[in-house]
Parts: sequence; C-alpha cells; structure tokens
Amino acid sequence: ILNVEQSPQSLHVQEGDSTNFTCSFPSSNFYALHWYRWETAKSPEALFVMTLNGDEKKKGRISATLNTKEGYSYLYIKGSQPEDSATYLCALNDYKLSFGAGTTVTVRA
Amino acid sequence: EAQVTQNPRYLITVTGKKLTVTCSQNMNHEYMSWYRQDPGLGLRQIYYSMNVEVTDKGDVPEGYKVSRKEKRNFPLILESPSPNQTSLYFCASSLNPAGAEGEQFFGPGTRLTVL
Repeated sequence: ILNVEQSPQSLHVQEGDSTNFTCSFPSSNFYALHWYRWETAKSPEALFVMTLNGDEKKKGRISATLNTKEGYSYLYIKGSQPEDSATYLCALNDYKLSFGAGTTVTVRA
Repeated sequence: EAQVTQNPRYLITVTGKKLTVTCSQNMNHEYMSWYRQDPGLGLRQIYYSMNVEVTDKGDVPEGYKVSRKEKRNFPLILESPSPNQTSLYFCASSLNPAGAEGEQFFGPGTRLTVL
C-alpha cells in the first residue's frame, strides 16, 4: 500500500480568492500521480495525470505541480468560484491505485 | 456515449445472501477496477484487472470476488455479504494500466447496505 496523505482535510475559501493544497507521498516508485475532482452525489472525474518530476498541468483556473524528489504535489485553484466546491482526490498509480482521503473545498460566495 | 455503467445503483440486502454488482464499459479499456468508499477513508481499491482473464487484489480484497471473462465487463461478487461491507462502491476503467493514459473513468456508484 502506498501511503498518500492530503492536507488540509478541508478548507473554506472566499469567492475570488486563490487557494492550494497538498498531496504527499513517501516514495517516487510509481508510474503516475492522478488528481480527481469529486462533487457531492456524483462520481470522481479526472483532472490531471502527472508522470514526470517537475510536471506542471493546467486546466482553466486549476493547475497542479509534481515534485517526486521531495514527495509532494500541489493543486492550485486561482480565483475560486462556487462551482469549484468539491472534494479533490490525489492517487498514486503503480498498477494499483492508492488514494488519499481528499481535501474538501468549500467556496463561499 | 462513452461511459461506465453499474447495476444496481442501490441495494439493501441481508447478511449471507450472495449478490453481484455488474460493471460494464464501452470504451474498449484494458484496465478495470473496483473501489469502495467509506467516510474518512477515501477510496480503497478492492480488485483490479489489467486485461481479460487477468485480475489482481487491491488493498481490501477480503470478502469479494471478481471475474474478467470479457473486456467490457467486470462484475463484483459478494459470496456472503456482511454488515462491514456496507459501503459506496465504484467501478472504474482506463485505457491503460499506468502512465498518462491511466486516468480512471468512474461509474455512477452503487450504494450497498447489508443488514
């Protein structure tokens, strides 16, 4: 089992503010790191798949970075909007998928 | 429409009564997987399959069985369900097991209650 930790567990952000949160892992022995967005009563949806140290991915106002040497990935949300409210999951893929418990983001209007 | 389907979506059953949750994908994906989601624990992988007739245990396989006789289908079988298997279950698939094409496409979920 790959131990994936996400912090904080939850956060509240004012609409228009930017925020970021962390996925950390003890080993770089995996094929890819995934980020998923999971809205209440829906299924998780993939945001990014990152494979290389130094990878940076961007989709609209959301971006992510990967540092395999120091064992972390950051997810950034720029100019948060109410529709960004969701739980964001990080997972390591070494054929088996190991998920963190997620960071729940609530954007207040 | 490309999708992963699961049935049933909701199920209430009793201890010991065998049940099967079906999962099907129409994207010709190689990799399929089952997860359970419990409060505070996140998604935990039960079983995965990298291709037809190839299945492997995930992190929490006890009490579950799977089969992969066809590429599109990956049923989850609970031979003798117990109350600790009450959970939300997700099936997922991906084009390839790893790398950039390993992103998981999730089904809608099956909420199982075992009394």
